[in-house]
Amino acid sequence: SQLAEENLWALSVHEGESVTVNCSYKTSITALQWYRQKSGEGPAQLILIRSNEREKRNGRLRATLDTSSQSSSLSITATRCEDTAVYFCATSGGNYKPTFGKGTSLVVHP
Amino acid sequence: EAAVTQSPRSKVAVTGGKVTLSCHQTNNHDYMYWYRQDTGHGLRLIHYSYVADSTEKGDIPDGYKASRPSQENFSLILELASLSQTAVYFCASSGGGASQNTLYFGAGTRLSVL
Repeated sequence: SQLAEENLWALSVHEGESVTVNCSYKTSITALQWYRQKSGEGPAQLILIRSNEREKRNGRLRATLDTSSQSSSLSITATRCEDTAVYFCATSGGNYKPTFGKGTSLVVHP
Repeated sequence: EAAVTQSPRSKVAVTGGKVTLSCHQTNNHDYMYWYRQDTGHGLRLIHYSYVADSTEKGDIPDGYKASRPSQENFSLILELASLSQTAVYFCASSGGGASQNTLYFGAGTRLSVL
């Protein structure tokens, strides 16, 4: 079974709206990462948040981490069409084996 | 900019044949990974390596072998390809220590086994 998992298979918003993708995980972690994968490309890391951090920002992106509930969220404000992609959370537990969730597909409509 | 190059970008193989997927990184990274992506399963780790001449099993290693002849190169080998191995395969690399948590991915290899 997946050790990290996003809570929704797909989301759809219109340009300019905000959207949040959630992730839950099952193991003790040292860090959690959010990746974005555009069609035909490999995933690219957006944000890395360590287990002793609660929030991390990167431009229009904001990630939160709650180790007590073993959950994380990625929020995107003022969405653009180019934000259309699959978003993954991934966890690291110090065992060299980063574990990815199944991903949430986000479509941003003009 | 970190660079991970996979070859070929796509391949059609016959059932029972041997397939080798190659990965080359110019990041000077110690860690390299092979993931498989299927619809509905996300990315699943097949094999990984943290030093040349050594490989480790990931979460789904059955039917796959890996080879790390040098720091820069990491291959995935399907000795007897099967229909169930049709998927997109991604190679990734990462540095050590704190930077081990940031993976740099290649563009992927689309493998179709017929």
